[in-house]
Amino acid sequence: DTGVSQDPRHKITKRGQNVTFRCDPISEHNRLYWYRQTLGQGPEFLTYFQNEAQLEKSRLLSDRFSAERPKGSFSTLEIQRTEQGDSAMYLCASSVKVGQANTGELFFGEGSRLTVL
Amino acid sequence: SQQGEEDPQALSIQEGENATMNCSYKTSINNLQWYRQNSGRGLVHLILIRSNEREKHSGRLRVTLDTSKKSSSLLITASRAADTASYFCASYSGAGSYQLTFGKGTKLSVIP
Repeated sequence: DTGVSQDPRHKITKRGQNVTFRCDPISEHNRLYWYRQTLGQGPEFLTYFQNEAQLEKSRLLSDRFSAERPKGSFSTLEIQRTEQGDSAMYLCASSVKVGQANTGELFFGEGSRLTVL
Repeated sequence: SQQGEEDPQALSIQEGENATMNCSYKTSINNLQWYRQNSGRGLVHLILIRSNEREKHSGRLRVTLDTSKKSSSLLITASRAADTASYFCASYSGAGSYQLTFGKGTKLSVIP
C-alpha cells in the first residue's frame, strides 16, 4: 500500500483568497479525517468521513471551511476567504480497510502547510 | 479541546539514556495511543494500549496505563539521536465519537 498522500505540501496565499487541499487516503480505507495543527500544538480534529458521508464536524470548522469526499475515495478541504489565523498544517489521516477490524490507529499524510499573508 | 496533556513539554537527554513522557487525560477511554512526529512531517502511530491493559511493550517502547489516575506513560529505552521528535498521546473523546483527540505533545531532543 502507498501511504496517505496530500497535495500541495506547501501553499502561500494572500488573505481573502480561497485555497483547496487534496487528500488521497490509503487504498480501501473507508474512514478519512482532517486535522489542523499549529506550531507547538497537537493536531486538532476538524472533520471525519466514513465513505462519502461526513459524519462528524468540529465546531472549529467554521462556515468558511468545507470538506468533501464525493466518491468515498479522495477528499478535498476548501478554505474560503482565508484569514491569517488559518495559517497552519492541515493533516489528513485514514483508517480501517473494508473487511478488516478497526484497530483505532490512524495513518497520517505528510500534511499541507498553509501560510496566509 | 485537548483530551490529553503530555508532561514534560520538552525533554533533552543524552543518547543512550531513557526518556519518559507522561500523559493525563480527562474522560473515560477505550484505548490510548501514542504517536510520533518528526519536525514538519506527519504523525506516525507507535503503540496502542487498551483500557483493560496496564502495560505494553514494542521494541524499545514501553507504555503503561493507569485508568484510576487517568494517566499513561511512554518510556523509550536506550534512546538514539533518531528518536528526536515530538510525541503525542491520543484517545477518543467519548462513546461513539470518531474524534481521536491529541495532547500538546512532548518535544524530545536526543543529543548524540
